[in-house]
Amino acid sequence: KNEVEQSPQNLTAQEGEFITINCSYSVGISALHWLQQHPGGGIVSLFMLSSGKKKHGRLIATINIQEKHSSLHITASHPRDSAVYICAGTTGNQFYFGTGTSLTVIP
Amino acid sequence: DTAVSQTPKYLVTQMGNDKSIKCEQNLGHDTMYWYKQDSKKFLKIMFSYNNKELIINETVPNRFSPKSPDKAHLNLHINSLELGDSAVYFCASSRGQGLVSPLHFGNGTRLTVT
Repeated sequence: KNEVEQSPQNLTAQEGEFITINCSYSVGISALHWLQQHPGGGIVSLFMLSSGKKKHGRLIATINIQEKHSSLHITASHPRDSAVYICAGTTGNQFYFGTGTSLTVIP
Repeated sequence: DTAVSQTPKYLVTQMGNDKSIKCEQNLGHDTMYWYKQDSKKFLKIMFSYNNKELIINETVPNRFSPKSPDKAHLNLHINSLELGDSAVYFCASSRGQGLVSPLHFGNGTRLTVT
């Protein structure tokens, strides 16, 4: 069993829908990263958070350290949001990656 | 200017060969990483260097050897390549050890071993 589990594995949404991707972890981490990997292969860091909530444009990330759970929300989804979203927990000298959520947003 | 650049983008080679992948960052970060992404798109950290010192060394074959000549460079040398080494390798950097700043990734090097 992976230390970091993501759900769903695959997600298809209509343009404009509100999307939630979940990340649960079983190890003690100090911070959690949300990454986006586009079909072209490049990886971009979306958020790094250790508590509470962060917002950037239409993206919102939340984390509950006690419940060992984080969520990534996308409001008003758009086809350009189609990508693989990966969460990764870090202890500072260890990284634990989720298996990724493949999101497809249909126009 | 590209923040984290790695070369080459594609690398096709035969089993048994020795190859290197280069990585450079111009962000002034003091920590650099090598990650491997397998065919199922699962990312796994291989190495991490902080100020040229090795701080993470996951269980990878010793055919893989990172070399950090300075804080801005972390190269990956692979000896005696095997079919199972085929993957996409990503270099990344951060201002701290992943705690104080986001990760910045290179565009990846797709290694194919035939």
